Amino acid sequence: NAGVTQTPKFQVLKTGQSMTLQCAQDMNHEYMSWYRQDPGMGLRLIHYSVGAGITDQGEVPNGYNVSRSTTEDFPLRLLSAAPSQTSVYFCASSSRDSETQYFGPGTRLLVL
Amino acid sequence: GENVEQHPSTLSVQEGDSAVIKCTYSDSASNYFPWYKQELGKRPQLIIDIRSNVGEKKDQRIAVTLNKTAKHFSLHITETQPEDSAVYFCAALLSGTYKYIFGTGTRLKVLA
Repeated sequence: NAGVTQTPKFQVLKTGQSMTLQCAQDMNHEYMSWYRQDPGMGLRLIHYSVGAGITDQGEVPNGYNVSRSTTEDFPLRLLSAAPSQTSVYFCASSSRDSETQYFGPGTRLLVL
Repeated sequence: GENVEQHPSTLSVQEGDSAVIKCTYSDSASNYFPWYKQELGKRPQLIIDIRSNVGEKKDQRIAVTLNKTAKHFSLHITETQPEDSAVYFCAALLSGTYKYIFGTGTRLKVLA
């Protein structure tokens, strides 16, 4: 199993550009989440999904969209990038039977 | 909103000494409390967790204690080693949801 994978590893955007961060898991996990990590702020939940077709907002959802068309994939879309979205983004998944979250390797995003 | 406070933000100990990191949560119905270790540039990895029906859990040199009345849980690392140096995060799972709230992290340095 590859576990949780994320692409790209690193991305530079200009203000106003849009992009999609990809996340995939091959563990047949029902639950998936997106977090952003900023220095001194810990991990903050952006959006999460409890199954295909079901998504909900976390603590800091503004400026981000998600969809969950399959169990495996949970992409995060930045509609119009802002410098405040410079961060490291982590995707995580877990199964309904266990609260243990498995994290992807992260995507480092720089918005100029 | 719900939050998790974590202290201290930095902790330096001599090799062989013990380290204690403390977290306090606000949602009294939270029922699952994981601890993650994150090395520089890497993803968070679960090191130990505890559920609300248990007061203490140990795994070799690592232990977690939970005081539900005080809404407080702690990570204890004994006989620290240089490879324990990392950032440690606590988290709480909000009851009835898949939302994790993370503490802001503790940077542990083990001095050889």
